[in-house]
Amino acid sequence: EVQLVESGGGLVQPGGSLRLSCETSGFSFSDRAMTWVRQAPGKGLEWVSIIYSGGSSPIYADSVKGRFTISRDNSKKTVYLQMNSLRAEDTAIYYCAKEGPEYGGNCDSWGQGTLVTVSS
Amino acid sequence: DIQMTQSPSNLSASVGDRVTITCRARQSIGKYLNWYQHKPGKAPKLLIYGATNLQSGVPSRFSGSGSGTDFTLTISRLQPEDLATYYCQESYSTPYTFGLGTKLEIK
Repeated sequence: EVQLVESGGGLVQPGGSLRLSCETSGFSFSDRAMTWVRQAPGKGLEWVSIIYSGGSSPIYADSVKGRFTISRDNSKKTVYLQMNSLRAEDTAIYYCAKEGPEYGGNCDSWGQGTLVTVSS
Repeated sequence: DIQMTQSPSNLSASVGDRVTITCRARQSIGKYLNWYQHKPGKAPKLLIYGATNLQSGVPSRFSGSGSGTDFTLTISRLQPEDLATYYCQESYSTPYTFGLGTKLEIK
């Protein structure tokens, strides 16, 4: 059974940092791209970042570019999202998701999400 | 970035109805279009990938069609458990943009 479990969310002040983790099991982690998606309160889904199986050339949404860094540890089957210079508008539930095997870019399994609140 | 326009933004239908949600891409994306179902407090769920392919385990009342710029998600016979918000997403080029969503309510 595929499982993805996010952790690391919480309350942080504007300008602060957080590191989210997503531990996975039940699939060949090193073969699949991993994505972070977020949902702000009352808003829709927003694609944040993707890291491919080899870990090179990650891609970011313009809204987080230069502030967030995605990384992965294939030995630990874990993907991370380092979030710096956090803003109120980064408040959201953050989901990690696994890429499906066909067509690329889709997310066929998701974690339950971790809540990040940026507030003073 | 490829803009995705979904319609309608809200939809109310009765159990047993046929429901259609549309998604339009600002440029051609071939068949790189995915549909997700998102219920409150739950993780999003992939329904359709590659515009027309039903994800494993998803009921056959869900179907997808289209290519290029115009796509459709159809629920053939609406069930009470289909209450959710539905999103399209392009996976043709990064960032893989989502539509704004269609909130489906059951009458």
